[in-house]
Amino acid sequence: QLQLQESGPGLVRPSETLSLTCSVSGDSVSSTGYFWGWIRQPPGKGLEWIGSISYSGSTYYTPSLKTRVSISVDTSKNQFSLRLTSVTAADTAVYYCARPSGYFYHYFDPWGQGTLVTVSS
Amino acid sequence: QSALTQPASVSGSPGQSITISCTGTSSDVGGYNYVSWYQQYPGKAPKLMISDVSNRPSGVSNRFSGSKSGNTASLTISGLQAEDEADYYCSSYRSDSTVVFGGGTKLTVL
Repeated sequence: QLQLQESGPGLVRPSETLSLTCSVSGDSVSSTGYFWGWIRQPPGKGLEWIGSISYSGSTYYTPSLKTRVSISVDTSKNQFSLRLTSVTAADTAVYYCARPSGYFYHYFDPWGQGTLVTVSS
Repeated sequence: QSALTQPASVSGSPGQSITISCTGTSSDVGGYNYVSWYQQYPGKAPKLMISDVSNRPSGVSNRFSGSKSGNTASLTISGLQAEDEADYYCSSYRSDSTVVFGGGTKLTVL
C-alpha cells in the first residue's frame, strides 16, 4: 500500500527558502508512469496545486509560483522534494505531497498527512 | 490562475440529497472530462471521492456521484449522513497542463 509522509522545517524566515521532502513507501518513485506532486492549503483556506514531476523528470508548475518553485526526485532515498524560494507570509500553509494519477495526472491519491509551514521572523 | 467556483456552504438533513456545483470554463471543466472531487475533515488530508467526473474509487460509498454539464460539474450526495459533514473540493485539468482547485464547500448536516 502506497504511503507518503512529508517532512521539513515548520518555521521559515521571510525571504528564505522553504524545503520539504516527501518519503514514499510501498512503491518506487522511479517506477515508469508515476508522477509525484505537491499541494498546499493556507490556514482556513482552499487547496492550491503547486506542481508535479514525472518519473522521467519533467516538471509542471502552477503559473503563480513558477519563478520560485522547483520539484525534484531522489531515487536513492525514494523521496521527492519541494523548494520554494523567497518566501513571504503568504506562503504559510499546510503542504501536502500526493501521487497524481489519471490520463493527464490530474487527480491525487493518496495524500500525505500534511505538514504546516509557517513563514515568520 | 483563477480557481473554480463552488458555493461556500450547503446544508441538508439526514436522509436528504444535496448537490455541490463546481463552475469553470471551456479551458478546464468544460473542455475535459477530468474533474475530481475530494472530501476533507478538519485537520485531515483530503480524500479522493470522485475522479474523471463520475468514477468512484474502490471503497467510496455509492451515495456519492458526480456529473457534468457544460462548464459546471456537480457532486451529489444521497441519503445524507452525519459523517458526510466535511469540506468538499473540486479540481480539474486545465488546457495549460496545470491543475486547478475550487474554493471549497462546507457541507453541514442539520
